Amino acid sequence: GENVEQHPSTLSVQEGDSAVIKCTYSDSASNYFPWYKQELGKGPQLIIDIRSNVGEKKDQRIAVTLNKTAKHFSLHITETQPEDSAVYFCAASRSSSNTGKLIFGQGTTLQVKP
Amino acid sequence: DGGITQSPKYLFRKEGQNVTLSCEQNLNHDAMYWYRQDPGQGLRLIYYSQIVNDFQKGDIAEGYSVSREKKESFPLTVTSAQKNPTAFYLCASSDTGPQRQYFGPGTRLTVT
Repeated sequence: GENVEQHPSTLSVQEGDSAVIKCTYSDSASNYFPWYKQELGKGPQLIIDIRSNVGEKKDQRIAVTLNKTAKHFSLHITETQPEDSAVYFCAASRSSSNTGKLIFGQGTTLQVKP
Repeated sequence: DGGITQSPKYLFRKEGQNVTLSCEQNLNHDAMYWYRQDPGQGLRLIYYSQIVNDFQKGDIAEGYSVSREKKESFPLTVTSAQKNPTAFYLCASSDTGPQRQYFGPGTRLTVT
């Protein structure tokens, strides 16, 4: 069935460095790819999303890239800050059914060391 | 103040009891979703509803039930048939189709 693989499961960087999280999806019909940030004990917060008609999208220090041929997409965070520390989830839509259902990756715990 | 509310934040129940988790949204979204999150894992879809009075099973619907009598409300009942009910439950809403989903703050259910 549909699947989203996310790597790495944990990532530790120094403040100011960049962080990259990668996801691979199996359903070639997927056309919507959001990224969520989840702080401890809270609900996930949508931080950026991209659709399959776009290869890259940027919002201040956050960017997402999509490679439809390879079926993978990545989250890039530049100039990391301690407040970026959280769990990040990628997801892909089951667009073929038009239900809006999302398949989530397993999550990446990002630690930014001051 | 727009958004999604879930209540209560923490819930404790004895094994064998049914429990209902509340989810309300004032975003005028047609679609609503329930997810379950276990420690160190991603989100798994329990049930979803694209329109009032209609809902579909997700990937792990066994032991759960829902209703969608109003557009803004999508309560989830965790029944005694759910074998491992202790988890963090998240509700989300969106416009229909592959659109942005917004999450509530979650309810942590502990069953002993």
